Amino acid sequence: QTVVTQEPSFSVSPGGTVTLTCGLSSGSVSTAYYPSWYQQTPGQAPRTLIYSTNTRSSGVPGRFSGSILGNKAALTITGAQADDESDYYCVLYMGSGIVVFGGGTKLTVL
Amino acid sequence: QVQLQESGPGLVKPSQTLSLTCTVSGDTISSGGYYWSWVRQHPGKGLEWIGYIHYSGTTYYNPSLRSRVAISVDTYTNHFSLKLDSVTAADTAVYYCARNKISTRIFDYWGQGTLVTFSS
Repeated sequence: QTVVTQEPSFSVSPGGTVTLTCGLSSGSVSTAYYPSWYQQTPGQAPRTLIYSTNTRSSGVPGRFSGSILGNKAALTITGAQADDESDYYCVLYMGSGIVVFGGGTKLTVL
Repeated sequence: QVQLQESGPGLVKPSQTLSLTCTVSGDTISSGGYYWSWVRQHPGKGLEWIGYIHYSGTTYYNPSLRSRVAISVDTYTNHFSLKLDSVTAADTAVYYCARNKISTRIFDYWGQGTLVTFSS
């Protein structure tokens, strides 16, 4: 079964820029996988950030953006803030109705 | 405003069947265009897609859980349900229901989640 890969952890300084990635154990991610990104803080349900590679969900600040970088989907936070410290998950649509969550990236802002 | 709310027992005995229900408000399950989903999160771990259902009854399941999972929908009461058979302690998790928009594959609305633990 294909595994969706994410960096286990990442850190960024306040005001800095960070790019989290979402790849496949085999093959390249493209827009056909409808990459989406979710933010989760402890004890809370996930919050939808980005869908269809690069479309921001309603109410999501402009500092969050999505793209395809090389063979991976990417989430970039420009001008990171303290309350961006969260877990971030990508989801890929694998076809035939199947979706797979990545393992998540724990982002620290310090 | 679309809202989803999970309900069900918080404690289940091993080898029994876990049953959860998700009540939807602010939208009609039979309106089409969406899959109605279950996602779980083991303590301290990542999110895991369990499966989803269209109001027509079409279902899709995570291959790793397919042999034990059944998702059903009741368009009259506007809720959908999860049954997970032969549970073990490894099924201890927070279970979320969520709406998945078919055209964009986005999970756009989530329930608050319900913790299910297993104990003999």
